[in-house]
Amino acid sequence: AQSVSQHNHHVILSEAASLELGCNYSYGGTVNLFWYVQYPGQHLQLLLKYFSGDPLVKGIKGFEAEFIKSKFSFNLRKPSVQWSDTAEYFCAVNPRGGKLIFGQGTELSVKP
Amino acid sequence: GAVVSQHPSWVICKSGTSVKIECRSLDFQATTMFWYRQFPKQSLMLMATSNEGSKATYEQGVEKDKFLINHASLTLSTLTVTSAHPEDSSFYICSAISGVTGNTIYFGEGSWLTVV
Repeated sequence: AQSVSQHNHHVILSEAASLELGCNYSYGGTVNLFWYVQYPGQHLQLLLKYFSGDPLVKGIKGFEAEFIKSKFSFNLRKPSVQWSDTAEYFCAVNPRGGKLIFGQGTELSVKP
Repeated sequence: GAVVSQHPSWVICKSGTSVKIECRSLDFQATTMFWYRQFPKQSLMLMATSNEGSKATYEQGVEKDKFLINHASLTLSTLTVTSAHPEDSSFYICSAISGVTGNTIYFGEGSWLTVV
């Protein structure tokens, strides 16, 4: 079955630390890839997406992600986190023509 | 773990008819649920925020009378697409926030709607 796996359930960082959140998926065909963020009490917001082209994707708020096809991965990165980045982050995969499949989410806590 | 059940997973309806999609939190109380839709090759679009016991808050551009949302209990929110048209064909997904901490989010599996 198709699945999306986020390696870390809860990540705690200090401000200015670098962030990398792992995301792997299991699907052999072509996929669209997304990272969403949900701040406490708010709805999902799109951070970035990959459909095709340059596998290094830049999103909003200084986030970027790299699609590595051979590793079935789409890790999210940010060089220097801020307290305001505290939120839950979801990786999602959309096999073309198929439904959107979410990872279980990673809660990020940034200490001031 | 907590589960959000969405039903039906697939539905085909005729133009002009209405179809209801349910979103249930199976083992927790969800004070807030969100409804999204996704068009092909696009990301999710928030349609509305559903709060138990009160009217849903719709996003700009979403027709309230067409997409009726009812959050009648702490475990159930429904989205009814009224007078469906082929352009309403889409993937609809709900998410629910656990009422205890307010910071744990769970997703339904989504519902494919095809209007013919």
